[in-house]
Amino acid sequence: DQQVKQNSPSLSVQEGRISILNCDYTNSMFDYFLWYKKYPAEGPTFLISISSIKDKNEDGRFTVFLNKSAKHLSLHIVPSQPGDSAVYFCAASALRSNYQLIWGAGTKLIIKP
Amino acid sequence: DAMVIQNPRYQVTQFGKPVTLSCSQTLNHNVMYWYQQKSSQAPKLLFHYYDKDFNNEADTPDNFQSRRPNTSFCFLDIRSPGLGDAAMYLCATSGLSGTSDTQYFGPGTRLTVL
Repeated sequence: DQQVKQNSPSLSVQEGRISILNCDYTNSMFDYFLWYKKYPAEGPTFLISISSIKDKNEDGRFTVFLNKSAKHLSLHIVPSQPGDSAVYFCAASALRSNYQLIWGAGTKLIIKP
Repeated sequence: DAMVIQNPRYQVTQFGKPVTLSCSQTLNHNVMYWYQQKSSQAPKLLFHYYDKDFNNEADTPDNFQSRRPNTSFCFLDIRSPGLGDAAMYLCATSGLSGTSDTQYFGPGTRLTVL
C-alpha cells in the first residue's frame, strides 16, 4: 500500500515558468513532509520541508503548500531554471514511527530552454 | 562544512565477494541510516542506528549487515553480493530529538557486481 504517491512520473516546463510538483498521502498520522531533489549518480539533496501545523513554507524560489483536508502537498518552483532539472521526491514522516521517511516514487522534472 | 561523506563513490566487486561501504558525518547527528536505491526509484531503507541502537527493516536481507563503531562512522557490509545488489547505497543522518527532523544524505556509493 503506497502511503505517499507522486502520480506524475515526469513533468516538462519551460524555463522561467512555474513548475508545480504534486504529492498525495493517505496516512493522516503524517506530521512532517519533505521535498528532496536528486541528480543522477548523486544522493538526494534536501530542499524544503513543512510541518503539519503550517499550510505554506517558502524558501527562495521554492514554496511548499500543504492541504491537510485533501492530504495533498505541492512544491512550486518559480521561476524554473535549467539547473532545476532533476528527480524530485516527496517524503513524509510521523512522530509515532520515529520520523522514518516514507517516500513517493519521484517526479522527473525537465526544464526546457 | 558539516557534511555526510561516503567512500568510495564507486565500488566494483565480484559476485559473492564481500564488500564494505563506509559513511562518516561531521554533523554530530545521533541517527544514521543506510538506504538502497535502484535506478530512479525511491530510496529503500535497509536499517538505521539511533545512537548505538540498531534497527533492522523487516525485509532487509541477512546478506546486509551494519556496524557503527562511534557517532561519526557507520559501515555497510554486504557478505555475498549478488547481481541484484547492484545499486546506489545512500547513507543519511538526522539529529532526531523527539521532534520532526530532516535527513541529510551523502553522495552515495554506486555498487557494481560483476
